[in-house]
Amino acid sequence: AQSVTQLDSQVPVFEEAPVELRCNYSSSVSVYLFWYVQYPNQGLQLLLKYLSGSTLVKGINGFEAEFNKSQTSFHLRKPSVHISDTAEYFCAVRNYGGSQGNLIFGKGTKLSVKP
Amino acid sequence: DSGVTQTPKHLITATGQRVTLRCSPRSGDLSVYWYQQSLDQGLQFLIQYYNGEERAKGNILERFSAQQFPDLHSELNLSSLELGDSALYFCASSVGWGSSYEQYFGPGTRLTVT
Repeated sequence: AQSVTQLDSQVPVFEEAPVELRCNYSSSVSVYLFWYVQYPNQGLQLLLKYLSGSTLVKGINGFEAEFNKSQTSFHLRKPSVHISDTAEYFCAVRNYGGSQGNLIFGKGTKLSVKP
Repeated sequence: DSGVTQTPKHLITATGQRVTLRCSPRSGDLSVYWYQQSLDQGLQFLIQYYNGEERAKGNILERFSAQQFPDLHSELNLSSLELGDSALYFCASSVGWGSSYEQYFGPGTRLTVT
């Protein structure tokens, strides 16, 4: 079975500062990895995904993430955050090549960007 | 806008009651997933349908059931509601039913049980 651990439940940061949201996963099989963002009172939006290939993945809104297989991590980074990045961020995994497509989510990290 | 629609947006009901949540997938998508987001359990997968057939089950209670209709919309039925069922219920859709297909999420239905 897979599991996802987001190491920080809340991350406060000042505007224009860099940020890293940490995600570790556990799985006995290969997985696909995802980051989703949830703005207040809205649904989930895909930020980026790792399926295969380059371990550095670029997503929307200036976010990127790096897949590290040896450390089973998929940390999300942004070099300079804006107030509008305030949201909750979820890391998720899916079985690689599996017949079931359901996502397994971490508990989420609330990013709070202060002026 | 993901193209996935969910109704109603908000639902307030009493314990012991039954409710039905509705989801319309994106045009062309055959697979529908239901997820529950609660404060204590986080985001959990409930159930998946593909072209009318159940494909996978997650942490779905026996009091909950779902179906996907021939026009591909899906309904999630919650019965004998308890306070702990208060949550945000998301529907997602994808073209296929395997793990390589991207899921698109609807805006959710917020259920409050009083």
